[in-house]
Amino acid sequence: DGGITQSPKYLFRKEGQNVTLSCEQNLNHDAMYWYRQDPGQGLRLIYYSQIVNDFQKGDIAEGYSVSREKKESFPLTVTSAQKNPTAFYLCASSVPAGAGTDTQYFGPGTRLTVL
Amino acid sequence: AQSVTQLDSQVPVFEEAPVELRCNYSSSVSVYLFWYVQYPNQGLQLLLKYLSGSTLVKGINGFEAEFNKSQTSFHLRKPSVHISDTAEYFCAVNSGTYKYIFGTGTRLKVLA
Repeated sequence: DGGITQSPKYLFRKEGQNVTLSCEQNLNHDAMYWYRQDPGQGLRLIYYSQIVNDFQKGDIAEGYSVSREKKESFPLTVTSAQKNPTAFYLCASSVPAGAGTDTQYFGPGTRLTVL
Repeated sequence: AQSVTQLDSQVPVFEEAPVELRCNYSSSVSVYLFWYVQYPNQGLQLLLKYLSGSTLVKGINGFEAEFNKSQTSFHLRKPSVHISDTAEYFCAVNSGTYKYIFGTGTRLKVLA
C-alpha cells in the first residue's frame, strides 16, 4: 500500500534536547511538507521541499531543521532553540501537477511533548 | 497575502440533519480552494477541491462545496450527517505556489 508513515507516534523530549521526527513516503511524490498543529490554530507550515536536496522555510521555521537527501524521506529535527515544541506534527507530500492545485497526502502525525 | 477564516470553531448538529461549515478567504489573486477532514489523532484527508469550472464541487462521503467569488466563500455542506462525520474540518487556500494556507478548523459534533 502506498502512503506516508511518520514515526514515532508519540515522542517525549526533555528540555535542551534535540529530537528528530521521521517522515517517509512511497508515493513517488516530489514535494514534501512539515506542518505544526496546535489547538485552535490550524496548521502552520514549518518547511517544505519541492525536490531532493532543496527545501524552503515556511512561516515558523525558527528552532527547526530539515534535510532532503532522498526523495522518499524528509526528517524534521526539533532543536533546543524551539522554546515551545509541544504540538502535533504532520508530514505531507504531493505530486506537483501544477503549483497550488495539488492534493496533499498526510501522514498520521507525531505528538511531541516536552517534559 | 492570503488568509482563510473559519468563523465557527464548533458546530453541533443532530444526526440526519443538514450541516453547513463556513469558510471565507481573502486574496488579491485567483485561488484554489480545498476542504480536508481530520479524524481524532490522525492526519488530514482531502474531501474536495475547487480548481476551476463549475462552482459546485462534489466530494467524498456525500459532501459538497460551492465557490462564491463575489462573497469570497467556499462553504461545505452535507444534506444529512451521520455520527461518523464527527471530525475536524479544515478549509485551505492556495494562489498557485507550493504554500497552502489553512484555516483554524471547525469541529463538527454529530449528536444521536
